[in-house]
Amino acid sequence: QVQLQQWGAGLLKPSETLSLTCAVYGGSFSGSYWNWIRQTPGEGLEWIGKTDQSGFTKYNPSLKSRVTISLDRSNNRFSLKLTSVTAADTAVYYCASATDLRWPFDPWGQGTQVTVSS
Amino acid sequence: QSALTQEASVSGTVGQKVTLSCTGNNNNIGTYPVGWYQQISHGAPKTVMIGNSLPSGIPDRFSGSKSGTTASLTISGLHPEDEADYYCSSWDYSLNVYVFGTGTKVTVL
Repeated sequence: QVQLQQWGAGLLKPSETLSLTCAVYGGSFSGSYWNWIRQTPGEGLEWIGKTDQSGFTKYNPSLKSRVTISLDRSNNRFSLKLTSVTAADTAVYYCASATDLRWPFDPWGQGTQVTVSS
Repeated sequence: QSALTQEASVSGTVGQKVTLSCTGNNNNIGTYPVGWYQQISHGAPKTVMIGNSLPSGIPDRFSGSKSGTTASLTISGLHPEDEADYYCSSWDYSLNVYVFGTGTKVTVL
């Protein structure tokens, strides 16, 4: 049974880079797609992007210019970097797995509140 | 990008059956499986349905179905612990993103 545990800095200043990591426990890193999703009270849930064990990545076009999702295969982890953050990037960020390219998510990480404030 | 439409709220008494709907179009629900996610008190979402399949550990009072571009989640016999926000999601091949619904708040009276 795959479990995801995530961590990263929770308070950023405008223009800084958001950096979060998600570790995969209890299952294979291969054969699945590893996603990042964020949630705000105003905008709801928004998919950020995904990667797989080959390093394939796909990003939300609305964030593509600022997002990088990368793998650390040796430690079964994947990471999110979002550059040039603004207050609009304040959200709870979740990592989540999907067993196929366009398949629903299961499971989810516990979430990380990220606040952007000067 | 809330491309999926859900009821704002649904309520029922303990033991009652309730059905939540999620409406999209042929670019998303009409083509791809729908995920349903339960979020209790702003905690992390928990997957309760993938298409019409129950993830491990989810009670069988939850069931899923789809007709055309509308997916449904049925809770057959509400329990107090089912009170939560429920979101649906599907891949959208036109937008090239996963799209989500705005969520349905389920209240157990």
